[in-house]
Amino acid sequence: DIQMTQSPSTLSASVGDRVTITCRASQSVSTWLAWYQQKPGKAPKLLIYKASSLQSGVPSRFSGSGSGTQFTLTISSLQPDDFATYYCQQYNSDSRTFGQGTKVEIK
Amino acid sequence: EVQLVESGGGFVQPGGSLRLSCAASGFTFSSYWMYWVRQVPGKGLVWVSRINDDGSTTNYADSVAGRFTISRDNARNTLSLQMNSLRAEDTAVYYCTRASGTTGGAFDIWGQGTMVTLSA
Repeated sequence: DIQMTQSPSTLSASVGDRVTITCRASQSVSTWLAWYQQKPGKAPKLLIYKASSLQSGVPSRFSGSGSGTQFTLTISSLQPDDFATYYCQQYNSDSRTFGQGTKVEIK
Repeated sequence: EVQLVESGGGFVQPGGSLRLSCAASGFTFSSYWMYWVRQVPGKGLVWVSRINDDGSTTNYADSVAGRFTISRDNARNTLSLQMNSLRAEDTAVYYCTRASGTTGGAFDIWGQGTMVTLSA
């Protein structure tokens, strides 16, 4: 199975900060990479698909980049609603593996 | 409204069985591959199983292969997960989710989840 590794595991930031989360795949997944946001007690929400495409309705402060094995999710100016856990997921192989998650906390 | 609603979770003893259901509405269910994903409270997301649009192809994570069976009824817009020989490590919130063709297969719609708790 393809392993997905996110860093950092936890991130402390302030409103207005630029935030970057990294995701690395154990082998190439091309651009078959998605990012999800999850808040406590809620289902995940799709933010980014195909590494850099913004899902409909998602604010433009979210952006994704990368290909192959290295990917990033960037939040250009952190808003109060963005404090949550973020997961990357590869969908290049039959098993849709997720990263372990990055929790964005209030500094 | 596009919606997925899971049901069937609850408490079950190790070695027991449980059947989860997911009711789909607001979209053409028979056109989509569907997935089950689980999450131990406080932990990460783990893919469990998937089924193609007509139900002819299924895949399972190694941890559940041979114990869980995914199925669908396109006439009733329902996805199911039959879970047998349950173990303590199967305790989790189970989500059903849709793989979107528009996104190339990312999961664009999720249910609210149903909790499965193994308890002796």
